Amino acid sequence: DTGVSQDPRHKITKRGQNVTFRCDPISEHNRLYWYRQTLGQGPEFLTYFQNEAQLEKSRLLSDRFSAERPKGSFSTLEIQRTEQGDSAMYLCASRGEGNTEAFFGQGTRLTVV
Amino acid sequence: GESVGLHLPTLSVQEGDNSIINCAYSNSASDYFIWYKQESGKGPQFIIDIRSNMDKRQGQRVTVLLNKTVKHLSLQIAATQPGDSAVYFCAEDIQGAQKLVFGQGTRLTINP
Repeated sequence: DTGVSQDPRHKITKRGQNVTFRCDPISEHNRLYWYRQTLGQGPEFLTYFQNEAQLEKSRLLSDRFSAERPKGSFSTLEIQRTEQGDSAMYLCASRGEGNTEAFFGQGTRLTVV
Repeated sequence: GESVGLHLPTLSVQEGDNSIINCAYSNSASDYFIWYKQESGKGPQFIIDIRSNMDKRQGQRVTVLLNKTVKHLSLQIAATQPGDSAVYFCAEDIQGAQKLVFGQGTRLTINP
């Protein structure tokens, strides 16, 4: 399977715990995105990498959130001290050069209890 | 705020009929648009795209129309099938911004 892969698919955590999600993009894609999606809403942009450089972060990304793409390949999104409002689907997408479609993974559904 | 929106949150059509899903955008600097389909519990799936130098593009059973004058995008699905039931999102790529901005989506239901 050469698509975008996300792990885990589901995560249930207690409020206050830290969680980390992983995204493996399509191998030749240099652009990687994280989005958050809540029920009934469209995906909201969180952050964007070009290779290993994090070029943009949304104001939605509080200081409890951090994302890395250390070698320009896979990426991790960490949420520290989770809150119930963090419950959502976290989507990763990758793109090649230019005006091309973004390919999405199946997402990680986070539930904070 | 983010600029992409949709006119109708839900749409029901009879199987076999054609459906039209609409989208309005407000950023005139957007130069690339994509329609995505999202089924429950899955990530968005690419359907069709269009660049701002075009006003129409056709795929298999789908057509996207772009009207830059009124900043309007539509997705036409011909001869709808039960498998077309999903939420459809339009997304815009603002020139130079390098990110896709999504609207809220339209839920399409195909009635037998």
